[in-house]
Amino acid sequence: KAGVTQTPRYLIKTRGQQVTLSCSPISGHRSVSWYQQTPGQGLQFLFEYFSETQRNKGNFPGRFSGRQFSNSRSEMNVSTLELGDSALYLCASSPETGGVQPQHFGDGTRLSIL
Amino acid sequence: DQQVKQNSPSLSVQEGRISILNCDYTNSMFDYFLWYKKYPAEGPTFLISISSIKDKNEDGRFTVFLNKSAKHLSLHIVPSQPGDSAVYFCAASEGGSEKLVFGKGTKLTVNP
Repeated sequence: KAGVTQTPRYLIKTRGQQVTLSCSPISGHRSVSWYQQTPGQGLQFLFEYFSETQRNKGNFPGRFSGRQFSNSRSEMNVSTLELGDSALYLCASSPETGGVQPQHFGDGTRLSIL
Repeated sequence: DQQVKQNSPSLSVQEGRISILNCDYTNSMFDYFLWYKKYPAEGPTFLISISSIKDKNEDGRFTVFLNKSAKHLSLHIVPSQPGDSAVYFCAASEGGSEKLVFGKGTKLTVNP
């Protein structure tokens, strides 16, 4: 069974630009969550999508947004990029609602802002 | 305010011995706890989880213990192997939410 796939693996952008990251969950998984990992803050929850609806949201500014498609694939978008947005962005999927199912992570997209 | 804390940034053990990684939490509403292992340039890999209705869960060499009164959990790895060298993250969630709150990780080094 293929794992969670994130594209691209690496991305370099400049301040003020916008970026879109993509995530394909494990087949059959309906919940997709996004996390930001930085050396200072660790792994922080961005948002979670289920059935094309955002169900949970972390404490990030509105520049961070996402969406989920009918096939459960998800994208996240960051607009007006800032230097502090440099991070590893991780996507995770789980089979269904409930939190009693562990989330499985992709290998992430490393975003660098110049 | 960190709701999940891993107070030891690093831990070094000898191959074959026990590794004990610790995690403390402050939110009494957390009812599901997980441990993940992360190698450089890879995403976190799920290891083991425990629900708050249990105090112990085992899977092969990995055992997680939960002490709800102390708001403390620990991961035991026995015996430790060099391939276990990685960063270990503790995570928690509440009320069936998919939102995981992570600790900052403990880097485990298992020396041959």
